[in-house]
Amino acid sequence: GQSLEQPSEVTAVEGAIVQINCTYQTSGFYGLSWYQQHDGGAPTFLSYNGLDGLEETGRFSSFLSRSDSYGYLLLQELQMKDSASYFCAVGALYILTGGGNKLTFGTGTQLKVEL
Amino acid sequence: DARVTQTPRHKVTEMGQEVTMRCQPILGHNTVFWYRQTMMQGLELLAYFRNRAPLDDSGMPKDRFSAEMPDATLATLKIQPSEPRDSAVYFCASGPAGVPDTQYFGPGTRLTVL
Repeated sequence: GQSLEQPSEVTAVEGAIVQINCTYQTSGFYGLSWYQQHDGGAPTFLSYNGLDGLEETGRFSSFLSRSDSYGYLLLQELQMKDSASYFCAVGALYILTGGGNKLTFGTGTQLKVEL
Repeated sequence: DARVTQTPRHKVTEMGQEVTMRCQPILGHNTVFWYRQTMMQGLELLAYFRNRAPLDDSGMPKDRFSAEMPDATLATLKIQPSEPRDSAVYFCASGPAGVPDTQYFGPGTRLTVL
């Protein structure tokens, strides 16, 4: 099966940089994704890492190290609107005939951005 | 602006009643997922369809839950009979072929079973 660990809560001030870590154990690993969810809202896709290294999308960057089964989401120039829950999700090929990937989500990290 | 739509957005029902939730995936997406989210369990995958075929429903209580895709524009999740422990937010998500791990979530159906 799959298991993921991420911190339950992180607090940072506006304008700062925050890193949310994610470690995972899985079989058939395919890639690591990050989703954002505001209170009362739906998860929205942020980024995907299929290979080792850093992916940058505006103020957000995501990193993956397959050898360490570890990844992180980096948020720069924090804004109040970034206050939300952030989920890492592991994709695993579970149907070899091209059936696509199954995502297993972590329990989420609640980010609080303060003035 | 293509979006996944879900109906109803809120549902309050009594224990034992049938509940049907509907989802319209984004046109052209070939994968559809049903998730349940609770504070205790987080986001759990209930069912997964690819090209309308069910590929995985191992996360779904088989005795009371059923998921179908009668056509490419409609996915349904039914609970019969409903129980208070089914109270949760149910999300439908769809994904495009060939784009790994990118899923677009609908707004969810908030279900309360009394």
